[in-house]
Amino acid sequence: GQNIDQPTEMTATEGAIVQINCTYQTSGFNGLFWYQQHAGEAPTFLSYNVLDGLEEKGRFSSFLSRSKGYSYLLLKELQMKDSASYLCAALDSNYQLIWGAGTKLIIKP
Amino acid sequence: IAGITQAPTSQILAAGRRMTLRCTQDMRHNAMYWYRQDLGLGLRLIHYSNTAGTTGKGEVPDGYSVSRANTDDFPLTLASAVPSQTSVYFCASSARGEGTEAFFGQGTRLTVV
Repeated sequence: GQNIDQPTEMTATEGAIVQINCTYQTSGFNGLFWYQQHAGEAPTFLSYNVLDGLEEKGRFSSFLSRSKGYSYLLLKELQMKDSASYLCAALDSNYQLIWGAGTKLIIKP
Repeated sequence: IAGITQAPTSQILAAGRRMTLRCTQDMRHNAMYWYRQDLGLGLRLIHYSNTAGTTGKGEVPDGYSVSRANTDDFPLTLASAVPSQTSVYFCASSARGEGTEAFFGQGTRLTVV
């Protein structure tokens, strides 16, 4: 079956760095997405990786290892507004997104 | 209209009633999706459409139907609502294919009582 695993909840301190991990098992693979979702709002796109390695975009970076079925989202210089859920989603061979349950990130002052 | 719009924003519905959730996009995306999001379960795909005139079943299609008469509109119908359909429903669209992100509507919060 197809499956995405990510931690349910994480806590970090304002100004610090946090890494959110995601492991996936899919029928075929056409890339991995990270989305941010604030409470009561729609998910919004953060990043896409299809090749192994690190993609950096400002304070946010995303890493992919296809051989390990593993990705992480790295958030630097955490701000209170980063408190949100972070959703990992893999694109399978039919170009359908398989979603993880999301990681709720709590930022403390 | 800019992006993808859902209506209504929220609704309380009596069990057994029929309800259509509306979704419209103006990005000319060929693919559209309906998800439900429940606490602890993440986004689950109900139905999808890869192009106008075609639809497909997702992970949790029972009790729901969709149509795709044109590129822009993708309504979701609950024929006879049940309390287990209480959820937040998101419509999304994408250009489909590798690397194309999905854009989401603002969601419809549906309560079936």
